[in-house]
Amino acid sequence: DTEVTQTPKHLVMGMTNKKSLKCEQHMGHRAMYWYKQKAKKPPELMFVYSYEKLSINESVPSRFSPECPNSSLLNLHLHALQPEDSALYLCASSQAVGTGAGNQPQHFGDGTRLSIL
Amino acid sequence: GNSVTQMEGPVTLSEEAFLTINCTYTATGYPSLFWYVQYPGEGLQLLLKATKADDKGSNKGFEATYRKETTSFHLEKGSVQVSDSAVYFCALRGRGSNYKLTFGKGTLLTVNP
Repeated sequence: DTEVTQTPKHLVMGMTNKKSLKCEQHMGHRAMYWYKQKAKKPPELMFVYSYEKLSINESVPSRFSPECPNSSLLNLHLHALQPEDSALYLCASSQAVGTGAGNQPQHFGDGTRLSIL
Repeated sequence: GNSVTQMEGPVTLSEEAFLTINCTYTATGYPSLFWYVQYPGEGLQLLLKATKADDKGSNKGFEATYRKETTSFHLEKGSVQVSDSAVYFCALRGRGSNYKLTFGKGTLLTVNP
């Protein structure tokens, strides 16, 4: 069982819809991440939150809007997505950030499989 | 910048065969190295890690040794099972303030009974 929980597991939405992906962890981690993974490819980093503040945005289009309401929760708000945004969206968390974080692994959820019609 | 090169496969083995998946890296300083596994329909699971040269990570019969002299972190298992069928990703994380994991392209392993 994964310690990072993502909901929903599957989501189908139209290009004009607004939806949100949710992620929760109770490991006391203070860094949380959103990744996008296309089929047969490695995950691509989208956003990093450190102590509930956005620290990295990998030039992600504004139709993706992250939010970190508290240290355990991470949301990804979706609006006006394109068919090419169909992918597996993975949330991850890790124990520490900053210069000492290099040896801390990231723990991943099972992802939300998103399909844009 | 950092990069990871791993054999892309696919790799097809019979049950109880020996597995090696090669992984080499390019990085400044002394990165931490990881192997993640992704079973069909699931997210990534940390399989093992090594944080300094000559460290050996091990888990579930899998092993990998951090070889700084050859900048390698090859994954091995002595006897694979059907349940090991998955995609395996080698990854590194630098020591600086960079939070990013750099992944290899992944290797699909299929184990036949």
